[in-house]
Amino acid sequence: AQKVTQAQTEISVVEKEDVTLDCVYETRDTTYYLFWYKQPPSGELVFLIRRNSFDEQNEISGRYSWNFQKSTSSFNFTITASQVVDSAVYFCALSEEGEGRRALTFGSGTRLQVQP
Amino acid sequence: EAGVAQSPRYKIIEKRQSVAFWCNPISGHATLYWYQQILGQGPKLLIQFQNNGVVDDSQLPKDRFSAERLKGVDSTLKIQPAKLEDSAVYLCASSFSGQGAKTQYFGPGTRLLVL
Repeated sequence: AQKVTQAQTEISVVEKEDVTLDCVYETRDTTYYLFWYKQPPSGELVFLIRRNSFDEQNEISGRYSWNFQKSTSSFNFTITASQVVDSAVYFCALSEEGEGRRALTFGSGTRLQVQP
Repeated sequence: EAGVAQSPRYKIIEKRQSVAFWCNPISGHATLYWYQQILGQGPKLLIQFQNNGVVDDSQLPKDRFSAERLKGVDSTLKIQPAKLEDSAVYLCASSFSGQGAKTQYFGPGTRLLVL
């Protein structure tokens, strides 16, 4: 069975600090996909990134970067120079390939508070 | 491009009453999902549709929950009768179909409070 663990329940930083959100996953499949979503106070889940299991290249998008390491089953998310607008709950999620089932298995989320 | 639409946004009912939620996916998305998100937890899948067929409903409490997607577009999720533990946000998501996992786009959710 697949599982996603986000050990950090809540993180508080001061604006302009860098922050890394950890995500560790478990799966028996060799083909799988990893996602990060942001859930601001309004409640809507906003898609941030998708990676497949064959692509271990790190990715940078503006102040956001992602580090995917299959050897440690981790897919960590770093926000550089955090801003108050980054305050939200962030979810890491996993989807396996088999049999048309594409449901996401989510972690429990990390609440990020960025103080001005 | 319009996103996933859901209604109502909020609903308060008493236990043992029934309630229905509606979802309209992004145009062209054949796959539709309903998730339940209890406060402080990540969303959990209730049911996945491919067009108007059910792909996965293994985690749907079928004694009280039902869902349909009759014409392969809009979907309705119903709870009858509701229990206190059904208080949650019900999220609808949609994606393209085909090989490989596709990105799921979520609607704003329906917040249900059962008293």
